[in-house]
Amino acid sequence: GIQVEQSPPDLILQEGANSTLRCNFSDSVNNLQWFHQNPWGQLINLFYIPSGTKQNGRLSATTVATERYSLLYISSSQTTDSGVYFCALVDYKLSFGAGTTVTVRA
Amino acid sequence: GAVVSQHPSRVICKSGTSVKIECRSLDFQATTMFWYRQFPKKSLMLMATSNEGSKATYEQGVEKDKFLINHASLTLSTLTVTSAHPEDSSFYICSARDSRVTETQYFGPGTRLLVL
Repeated sequence: GIQVEQSPPDLILQEGANSTLRCNFSDSVNNLQWFHQNPWGQLINLFYIPSGTKQNGRLSATTVATERYSLLYISSSQTTDSGVYFCALVDYKLSFGAGTTVTVRA
Repeated sequence: GAVVSQHPSRVICKSGTSVKIECRSLDFQATTMFWYRQFPKKSLMLMATSNEGSKATYEQGVEKDKFLINHASLTLSTLTVTSAHPEDSSFYICSARDSRVTETQYFGPGTRLLVL
């Protein structure tokens, strides 16, 4: 089956810092999504990005499909950015990675 | 737009009872809904895919008689955990695919089930 690996597994940031999360995948991808799961469990769609780069405020994502990886950038992190970030491959169903747990400290 | 609700958000029940969880798409039609289970500090595990008007498709290892899924309308799917046991305690999350945008899934807020 499709393998989705995320790194690092855990990340602790000081408020205001920048960070990069990585998602490697084993198979060619129709599409890829990034999600943020907040501390209450709600999953929020961040990006739907099969290739190229997208930006939304302080977050941006880049997918290089030919090299089978995607990156999520968080700039000027805030405490509200805390939670778990998942990438998932989209092929009718979603194949989730294990997630990166981000803790932003004030 | 694209809001998915779940009810209840939290439920505690006794072992042996059944629990029904509802998943609703509030502002779009969802021909397909998905049910996931998440253990603490773990990723989401797909349990089943629910298509409106037809039987659900269960993932390998998921007991279909244990986890009954009904998708009777384009805006509602239900998951019933039958004869619940403590090992069924978990966080259950549904998602709905917006039929206008075929690949985008939107997630509900989840239901925390505790079986005593």
